[in-house]
Amino acid sequence: DIQMTQSPFSLSASVGDRVTITCRASQTINNYLNWYQQKPGKAPDLLIYSASSLHSGVPSRFSGSGSGTDFALTISSLQPEDFATYYCQQSYNVPRTFGQGTKLEI
Amino acid sequence: EVQLVESGGGLVQPGGSLRLSCAASGFSVSSKHMSWVRQAPGQGLEWVSVLYRDNITYYADSVKGRFTISRDSSQNTLYLQMSRLRAEDSAVYYCTRDVEIGTYLFFDPWGQGTPVTVSS
Repeated sequence: DIQMTQSPFSLSASVGDRVTITCRASQTINNYLNWYQQKPGKAPDLLIYSASSLHSGVPSRFSGSGSGTDFALTISSLQPEDFATYYCQQSYNVPRTFGQGTKLEI
Repeated sequence: EVQLVESGGGLVQPGGSLRLSCAASGFSVSSKHMSWVRQAPGQGLEWVSVLYRDNITYYADSVKGRFTISRDSSQNTLYLQMSRLRAEDSAVYYCTRDVEIGTYLFFDPWGQGTPVTVSS
């Protein structure tokens, strides 16, 4: 199975900050990497697919980068509604493994 | 509007069985790949199973041989039959559509989730 490792586990930031969350795969996954946002008590929402493609309706302050084994999700200017937990997930093969999540806190 | 609504969760004793349902609207479950993903209390997301539109299925090792994914096209509903349940199966279970763009796959949208608690 492909292991996905996110860092950091948690992150404290302020409104307006630029933040980056990283995700590393245990083997190459080309750019078969997705990012999701989850708020407490809610289902996850897709943000980014194929490593860098912004999902419809997602604000442009979100961006994704990377290929191979190393990936990043960047939020250019944090807004109050961005405080949530973020997950990376590989779609290279099954099982479709997720990272352990990064909790972004105020 | 594309929507997924899960049901069927609840409290079940260890060793028991439960069937989860996911009613879809706005698209046909038989024409799309569909997955189940679960989240144990306070934990991260764990992929459980996928049913491809060509009827191929895959399962996480943790549920293989105990869970069965299926669909009913006439009801436009996805199912997860869970048997020999264990305490570690306790989680919120989400149904999600597996969107395919070229060779890329991603989960969108997700249902609201249905909680399953395995306890005596």
